[in-house]
Amino acid sequence: GQQVMQIPQYQHVQEGEDFTTYCNSSTTLSNIQWYKQRPGGHPVFLIQLVKSGEVKKQKRLTFQFGEAKKNSSLHITATQTTDVGTYFCAGRGNDYKLSFGAGTTVTVRA
Amino acid sequence: EAGVTQFPSHSVIEKGQTVTLRCDPISGHDNLYWYRRVMGKEIKFLLHFVKESKQDESGMPNNRFLAERTGGTYSTLKVQPAELEDSGVYFCASRTSGSTDTQYFGPGTRLTVL
Repeated sequence: GQQVMQIPQYQHVQEGEDFTTYCNSSTTLSNIQWYKQRPGGHPVFLIQLVKSGEVKKQKRLTFQFGEAKKNSSLHITATQTTDVGTYFCAGRGNDYKLSFGAGTTVTVRA
Repeated sequence: EAGVTQFPSHSVIEKGQTVTLRCDPISGHDNLYWYRRVMGKEIKFLLHFVKESKQDESGMPNNRFLAERTGGTYSTLKVQPAELEDSGVYFCASRTSGSTDTQYFGPGTRLTVL
């Protein structure tokens, strides 16, 4: 079945620095979604990418979908303490079932 | 608009006991999903309801898990008998029908089996 790998599992970032988390699927995806889970919270939808090579920005967050629609990345610039949490990518195959990555847990050093 | 709600928020039971988790989706959302996250692992799909029908239950671990959605509103997930490996956070998510893929997650139920 479809598998989604996400790296790194943990990311310790100095406040103000940039970082990127990567997501790779074993199969071509219909779309990919990104979710953020704050400590003690639940996953909250951030964005969905559908088109090959698509790039979307949300303030300091930049999301990319690969040309082959098998990989994606999330880049955060000038990390802030509010960015703390676990970021999940979730790939959708030919049905509405989402396959989640294991998440990247981000901590920020002030 | 109220979000997805789940009950209970935490449950601690002993191996062999039965636990029933409940999910109330956002009103009007026909699609309801159950997921489970074991500590440090991915959020794993369990099953998908469209209204009261099971659309996909390929993620259910075994026959100790029973999900229902009578009337197409709230859903329950029963684990009987519970085993140690069933521990984790069980999330419910709902989605409208149509072209949108956005799923709205509930706060989760943290299940601990001792």
